[in-house]
Amino acid sequence: NAGVMQNPRHLVRRRGQEARLRCSPMKGHSHVYWYRQLPEEGLKFMVYLQKENIIDESGMPKERFSAEFPKEGPSILRIQQVVRGDSAAYFCASSPQETYEQYFGPGTRLTVT
Amino acid sequence: DAKTTQPTSMDCAEGRAANLPCNHSTISGNEYVYWYRQIHSQGPQYIIHGLKNNETNEMASLIITEDRKSSTLILPHATLRDTAVYYCIVRKNYGGSQGNLIFGKGTKLSVKP
Repeated sequence: NAGVMQNPRHLVRRRGQEARLRCSPMKGHSHVYWYRQLPEEGLKFMVYLQKENIIDESGMPKERFSAEFPKEGPSILRIQQVVRGDSAAYFCASSPQETYEQYFGPGTRLTVT
Repeated sequence: DAKTTQPTSMDCAEGRAANLPCNHSTISGNEYVYWYRQIHSQGPQYIIHGLKNNETNEMASLIITEDRKSSTLILPHATLRDTAVYYCIVRKNYGGSQGNLIFGKGTKLSVKP
């Protein structure tokens, strides 16, 4: 059973460009969580999605950030008009049900130049 | 804010047991104790979780005190590959906005030859 997959693993964007991060949960998992880890800091929750629904986006910045988890295909975290402060590692986790343990992907390291 | 307190760092000799403590004095009756680790900026890895009984799996053992105000993660025979930051997290096991993981600073465990 393949684990959580994230791509790309590394992404470089210039200021003002858009970044799209993709997350394919483990097979059979319909719950996806996104976390962000700024350099030398801990992981911070961003958003929790179930298929086609955003359950909790309390950790998501109000502007420029959006997330979706369509009925088919991976979950997407989208950052518009990136700024240098968006440079971080973005981790996705999935679980089969909302009360179960979460399994993390390897992360996408975003660098904004 | 994280509701747990952990030592910043610990050392352990290779082959010996590593005992990582965690204080969670404000834990409520419906909160579980979860342990994750993060090896050198990889995605966090789930280790174990428990409510009030001690738990053991192929990776580790979790000892929770009777009053549930503290716990200890035990790696029975630490190897160099166990060098990582270990996170103790308390989490309600019902979902919605309660389902996300709140990471603190964790304990940096260094296993030395």
